[in-house]
Amino acid sequence: DSGVTQTPKHLITATGQRVTLRCSPRSGDLSVYWYQQSLDQGLQFLIQYYNGEERAKGNILERFSAQQFPDLHSELNLSSLELGDSALYFCASSSRGAGGPGELFFGEGSRLTVL
Amino acid sequence: AQRVTQPEKLLSVFKGAPVELKCNYSYSGSPELFWYVQYSRQRLQLLLRHISRESIKGFTADLNKGETSFHLKKPFAQEEDSAMYYCALSSSGSARQLTFGSGTQLTVLP
Repeated sequence: DSGVTQTPKHLITATGQRVTLRCSPRSGDLSVYWYQQSLDQGLQFLIQYYNGEERAKGNILERFSAQQFPDLHSELNLSSLELGDSALYFCASSSRGAGGPGELFFGEGSRLTVL
Repeated sequence: AQRVTQPEKLLSVFKGAPVELKCNYSYSGSPELFWYVQYSRQRLQLLLRHISRESIKGFTADLNKGETSFHLKKPFAQEEDSAMYYCALSSSGSARQLTFGSGTQLTVLP
């Protein structure tokens, strides 16, 4: 499958812990986007990387950080986890960077549960 | 700041009836608008974008800049149209991002 892949699919952890979510973009896509989807909320944009560099930032908490590596995969690090961080975290990729996101291709998401 | 509003969380229609999913946006520049759809057990995927002015699976959406709306319409709903629909807006400028609405769950009843 050459689509966007995310790991892990499910993750259960405790408050105060730190987790890392991983995303591999579609082959050839240089942009990676992270979104958070909580209960009763739509998709909240967190951050975008283009070819290894941060391109745009949304409502990302200081406890969260991300990076995109030379092989273009990206990781979203969530630390000092709180109950409210429980959500579905989506990664999406696009071939476009400065020209706007155009069509985004989404992964299946990583469901994080903080107990 | 850009904002996308989908006023209906849930929408149910009968098969064969017309359906309209509402989307309003707030943005001072020239937006690029999209509709994304998530069918059960599938990934979120692009349905259509306003610049293409195309009809996909019988759905159309017209950008109305005066009313700042981008409603999604289909004249005759089918059961397979049941899904979660998200309206999204891409800003212009050097740091573009795609802002999504909260989504509308469409159920087409037999």
